[in-house]
Amino acid sequence: DAKTTQPPSMDCAEGRAANLPCNHSTISGNEYVYWYRQIHSQGPQYIIHGLKNNETNEMASLIITEDRKSSTLILPHATLRDTAVYYCIARQAGTALIFGKGTTLSVSS
Amino acid sequence: EAGVAQSPRYKIIEKRQSVAFWCNPISGHATLYWYQQILGQGPKLLIQFQNNGVVDDSQLPKDRFSAERLKGVDSTLKIQPAKLEDSAVYLCASSFLGWRGDEQYFGPGTRLTVT
Repeated sequence: DAKTTQPPSMDCAEGRAANLPCNHSTISGNEYVYWYRQIHSQGPQYIIHGLKNNETNEMASLIITEDRKSSTLILPHATLRDTAVYYCIARQAGTALIFGKGTTLSVSS
Repeated sequence: EAGVAQSPRYKIIEKRQSVAFWCNPISGHATLYWYQQILGQGPKLLIQFQNNGVVDDSQLPKDRFSAERLKGVDSTLKIQPAKLEDSAVYLCASSFLGWRGDEQYFGPGTRLTVT
């Protein structure tokens, strides 16, 4: 079973920031927080990951709370192409991804 | 950098027939995964390879599914005989374990329909 909890769906207006929360209260010290997304009919796409520090790349920012029990994925300027299912996954490096139900993000104009 | 390649992209077979899927991972990626994604669900691991050795095949239905990774590069997944419930998208992913962990990169998948 997935070790994370995410809201089933969220809406966001195009151009605004999308903030996707994730709860991982039982995360272990050697588990990273990974975010993937899956656009309809495509394979999952890696977005970002972190251990305990906040991370930023060209796609998104990842904010992890100090106690590491939750995190937030931030898409700074959402576009229609960001409409997808977003998965938050806690895992040790080198192990398989265990996908939950994710959050369906709908970006509208 | 080329991504993960999979073929075929679509396959339709009748139940009890056999089928094979092929995956070519990203060059240099030692770890290869096969996932099954049933419509409306998240992907589920079938098997994980490290080079040409099996790391985890605990969720592979071994009575009908088999997989191999030739020379630690390409991999094939076979189903024989297929059942209706095998209708799904079969995803291949690869990764390289570095000092900051590893990201898995997925191929486009093979959509299998069993009639």
